[in-house]
Amino acid sequence: AQKITQTQPGMFVQEKEAVTLDCTYDTSDPSYGLFWYKQPSSGEMIFLIYQGSYDQQNATEGRYSLNFQKARKSANLVISASQLGDSAMYFCAMRGHVNTGNQFYFGTGTSLTVIP
Amino acid sequence: NAGVTQTPKFRILKIGQSMTLQCTQDMNHNYMYWYRQDPGMGLKLIYYSVGAGITDKGEVPNGYNVSRSTTEDFPLRLELAAPSQTSVYFCASRRTSVPTDTQYFGPGTRLTVL
Repeated sequence: AQKITQTQPGMFVQEKEAVTLDCTYDTSDPSYGLFWYKQPSSGEMIFLIYQGSYDQQNATEGRYSLNFQKARKSANLVISASQLGDSAMYFCAMRGHVNTGNQFYFGTGTSLTVIP
Repeated sequence: NAGVTQTPKFRILKIGQSMTLQCTQDMNHNYMYWYRQDPGMGLKLIYYSVGAGITDKGEVPNGYNVSRSTTEDFPLRLELAAPSQTSVYFCASRRTSVPTDTQYFGPGTRLTVL
């Protein structure tokens, strides 16, 4: 069974500080993809970053980086130099390959609040 | 580019009514997805399509149907609406070009069944 777990319902971070949002996953697929999305209070889903299971290096996109630890089955999102506009819900997601085709599985999300 | 568009934005249905949620993308993506998001939860996959004429069930397909006659359009049909289908519905299309993999979401449809 495919499963994504986000254990932090809510997080607070001081503006300009870095923050790590946790995500662990479980899959039987030998090949898979890991994603992070941002959902502001306005409701839209915004793609942030992608990591393939065979990628040797951790993915980075601007202030976002994905700390991928395959043996531990974790894919934590690191946001550096937090900004007030980073306050939002953040969802971790996984896409399988062989066993689950092209289906995506989402975690329950972490609410991030950036404090001025 | 408009990206992924969804209509309507809001809808209230009575129990037992039916409706179609429209989704259109102008990025020529083969993959398209329908999700529902219940309050305080993540997204759950209802149906997806890997190309025109090909659809498959996701985690929560009961009570829904889809069709994909063109690359651009992927409508979601609700038959005999039930209160349990009250949710926000998101459509997405997916670009798969190595080394990245990106889903683009529509703005969502907020559906209430009373």
